[in-house]
Amino acid sequence: SAVISQKPSRDICQRGTSLTIQCQVDSQVTMMFWYRQQPGQSLTLIATANQGSEATYESGFVIDKFPISRPNLTFSTLTVSNLSPEDSSIYLCSVWRGGTATYEQYFGPGTRLTVT
Amino acid sequence: QKEVEQNSGPLSVPEGAIASLNCTYSDRGSQSFFWYRQYSGKSPELIMSIYSNGDKEDGRFTAQLNKASQYVSLLIRDSQPSDSATYLCAALTGTASKLTFGTGTRLQVTL
Repeated sequence: SAVISQKPSRDICQRGTSLTIQCQVDSQVTMMFWYRQQPGQSLTLIATANQGSEATYESGFVIDKFPISRPNLTFSTLTVSNLSPEDSSIYLCSVWRGGTATYEQYFGPGTRLTVT
Repeated sequence: QKEVEQNSGPLSVPEGAIASLNCTYSDRGSQSFFWYRQYSGKSPELIMSIYSNGDKEDGRFTAQLNKASQYVSLLIRDSQPSDSATYLCAALTGTASKLTFGTGTRLQVTL
């Protein structure tokens, strides 16, 4: 498995402000993934954070709204900018971990964001 | 659109019974499949992964994969109240290491 930590675990923010979420992994990984889980919904991939290059965003997600940094192979940040109530969600980072027989994706504990 | 579909439930089973959770996927190129358990307010926890046709057992859990029918299932034997959670099915397709998730099935194990 993988040991992944996220900060903050939760936050309440006012609309129009921004929140930066940190994700730390216990060992080096090439790719880190950022997901959003809106209330009562499944997981939606926001972007893939690659060390040394720009993040790759999924359809419907843009860099201006969700800027991502990946300064090294164990750390990434996701910023949710210009917050609106629709951004109230759980934000999760994840990594793949495995060997020759298995290759599995593990999630951090998540950041619960409430926008008022 | 590559999709993974699950019945949202709730699926209610009595304690000690077998819970059967089902998932279908649309992309025949999907290579690997994963079941996650998610308790309310928590992040998804990996239960099982399955890569080839057939059954894979791990304790009380059995994952079943049928690529011809594009069907994945998870059986939970001797269901316990602590198994009550939402179970997410996910498929890995393509070369970008991206998972596609189903909407999840909520399981309720009753006393």
